[in-house]
Amino acid sequence: KAGVTQTPRYLIKTRGQQVTLSCSPISGHRSVSWYQQTPGQGLQFLFEYFSETQRNKGNFPGRFSGRQFSNSRSEMNVSTLELGDSALYLCASSTGGTAYEQYFGPGTRLTVT
Amino acid sequence: GESVGLHLPTLSVQEGDNSIINCAYSNSASDYFIWYKQESGKGPQFIIDIRSNMDKRQGQRVTVLLNKTVKHLSLQIAATQPGDSAVYFCAEVNDYKLSFGAGTTVTVRA
Repeated sequence: KAGVTQTPRYLIKTRGQQVTLSCSPISGHRSVSWYQQTPGQGLQFLFEYFSETQRNKGNFPGRFSGRQFSNSRSEMNVSTLELGDSALYLCASSTGGTAYEQYFGPGTRLTVT
Repeated sequence: GESVGLHLPTLSVQEGDNSIINCAYSNSASDYFIWYKQESGKGPQFIIDIRSNMDKRQGQRVTVLLNKTVKHLSLQIAATQPGDSAVYFCAEVNDYKLSFGAGTTVTVRA
């Protein structure tokens, strides 16, 4: 079974721009979560989607948003990029029911200049 | 702030020895914990999990211990190998959200 895939793997953007990242979960998984990883803050939860509905959200500004499609694929968008948004953005998928195991993709490395 | 923390940021271990990685958590209501391994350039990899109604769970070369009294869990790796060199994170699950500790970097010496 194929793992979680994320595109693109690397991205360089300029302050003020916006960016969209994509995540395809493991086949059959209906839950997709997004995390931001930085050396200073570690791994922090952004939001979680299940069957196209956001079930939980972390403490990030409204510039960070996401959505999930009917095929469980998910996108996250960051508008008005700031230098501090440079990070590794990780997507994880799970079945979304009572099983909590989350499986991560390789991440998208975003650099904001 | 983070609700889960690790005691040591780094751990150096001789190949073949056992490794013990510790983690303290603060949310006494947490009922599910996961250990992840992250190698350079990769996403976190699921290692083993444990529910709060258990105090020990074993996998292949790994054992997780949970002490709810002192809100502490540990990951033991038997016969540590060079491929075990990575950053290890503990995470607690609440409301479909993982809260991660800061991570422990394990370096295996040949």
